[in-house]
Amino acid sequence: QVQLVESGGDLVKPGGSLKLSCAASGFDFSDFYMIWIRQAPGKGLEWVSYISGSSTDTDYADSVKARFTISRDNAKNSLYLQMNSLRAEDTALYYCARGDYYDGNWAGFWGQGTLVTVSS
Amino acid sequence: EIVLTQSPATLSLSPGERATLSCRASQSVANYLVWYQQKPGQAPRLLIYEASIRATGIPARFSGSGSGTDFTLTISSLEPEDFAVYYCQQRSNWPTFGGGTKVEIK
Repeated sequence: QVQLVESGGDLVKPGGSLKLSCAASGFDFSDFYMIWIRQAPGKGLEWVSYISGSSTDTDYADSVKARFTISRDNAKNSLYLQMNSLRAEDTALYYCARGDYYDGNWAGFWGQGTLVTVSS
Repeated sequence: EIVLTQSPATLSLSPGERATLSCRASQSVANYLVWYQQKPGQAPRLLIYEASIRATGIPARFSGSGSGTDFTLTISSLEPEDFAVYYCQQRSNWPTFGGGTKVEIK
C-alpha cells in the first residue's frame, strides 16, 4: 500500500535553514507528481510546492517562492524540501503527498507530517 | 488567488442525520473541486475529486455535487467515524483550500 513518511522537522531560528525528506513506498514513485502541503498549528491547509515525476515541472506558493526548493531522487524514492530564510509564519506541520501522473494540484495520499517550528 | 468559502464553520448533528456542507469559490473553478476529511491528529484523506467522483474506498454515503462556483458535500446518514473537519480544495488555478467545516456530535 502507499506509504509516505516525512522526516527532518525541527526547531530552527528565524533566518535559518532546514531540509525535509519524504520516503515513499508502495507505488512507482517516478510516475507521480509529489507535493508538499503545510498546516499551521490549529489552522487550515496551504499548498506549498509540487514537482513532476521527471522533475521538469515545479511550482511554489508565492509565500515560499525564492526561499524553498523542492526536489526528488527517484532512485531513492525520496522527496525533499529545502527551506531557507525561514520565518515564524513558516511554522507548521509539513505533509508530503502524492499527486497523479498529470499534475500536482490534488493529493490522493498523504503522509503523517513533520513539524517545523521557527522561533528564537 | 481563488478564495474558497466553506459554510457553516461548524455543523452540530446526531448520528444518522444528513449533513450538507457548502463550498463557494470566488470565481469559477469548473468541476475542479476536491473534498478531504481530516480527523484530529491525522492527515487529511481524499474523499471526492472532480466535484462528484468518490475516491477509492470512500463509502457511498458521501456524495459531491456542483460546478462553477457552488459546491456541496453531502453525507447521507452520519456514522460515528464521520465526525471530523472537511476541507474543499480547488485545482483550477494554484491550489487553495477552504477554511473547513467541522462536523461535530450534537
